[in-house]
Amino acid sequence: GAGVSQSPSNKVTEKGKDVELRCDPISGHTALYWYRQSLGQGLEFLIYFQGNSAPDKSGLPSDRFSAERTGGSVSTLTIQRTQQEDSAVYLCASSLVAAGAGTDTQYFGPGTRLTVL
Amino acid sequence: RKEVEQDPGPFNVPEGATVAFNCTYSNSASQSFFWYRQDCRKEPKLLMSVYSSGNEDGRFTAQLNRASQYISLLIRDSKLSDSATYLCVVNKRGTYKYIFGTGTRLKVLA
Repeated sequence: GAGVSQSPSNKVTEKGKDVELRCDPISGHTALYWYRQSLGQGLEFLIYFQGNSAPDKSGLPSDRFSAERTGGSVSTLTIQRTQQEDSAVYLCASSLVAAGAGTDTQYFGPGTRLTVL
Repeated sequence: RKEVEQDPGPFNVPEGATVAFNCTYSNSASQSFFWYRQDCRKEPKLLMSVYSSGNEDGRFTAQLNRASQYISLLIRDSKLSDSATYLCVVNKRGTYKYIFGTGTRLKVLA
């Protein structure tokens, strides 16, 4: 079946512009995660959505970052007034159930490579 | 101290060799453990979960040592296609946060 998809695959923007990144999770997956991976670094947790519960935004690095998930499916990560340090690969992952509930394998999308000039 | 630590490598091994990576974690409440594989400029993909009793999948064997708080991955008969970065992932009991290590890079040489 279809995996997690993300768009765009690459985004080059100028410092100060806003960008919107999209994630389509696997159908039926209730949990959705956003991560950021800078060159040579590990994955940095950004935000987590689980069903209709309030998202955990504790990993968002600043108030320029926001995310929403509409209808429990598609998610959008928005970065306002982009800075050069925002350049990274933004990865989305989904899982069938919440972590710790047994079947919690995360499936990742291909990522969006963001470059801020 | 990082919650999950891995030797970044690279580990350069010849084809057919056996190679092992360790990963240490600091939180004793950690419950679920995984190895993910990430190819260059690609997304991470689950390689295998790590169970308390240890588990094997073909040429790959994962072990968990709770007393010493580390997990290991053993790859036997290395193939060129095994060249990748191997990420150690830990999840704390009752939480949804996954902590990723920075990865160990493996290069299998012809």
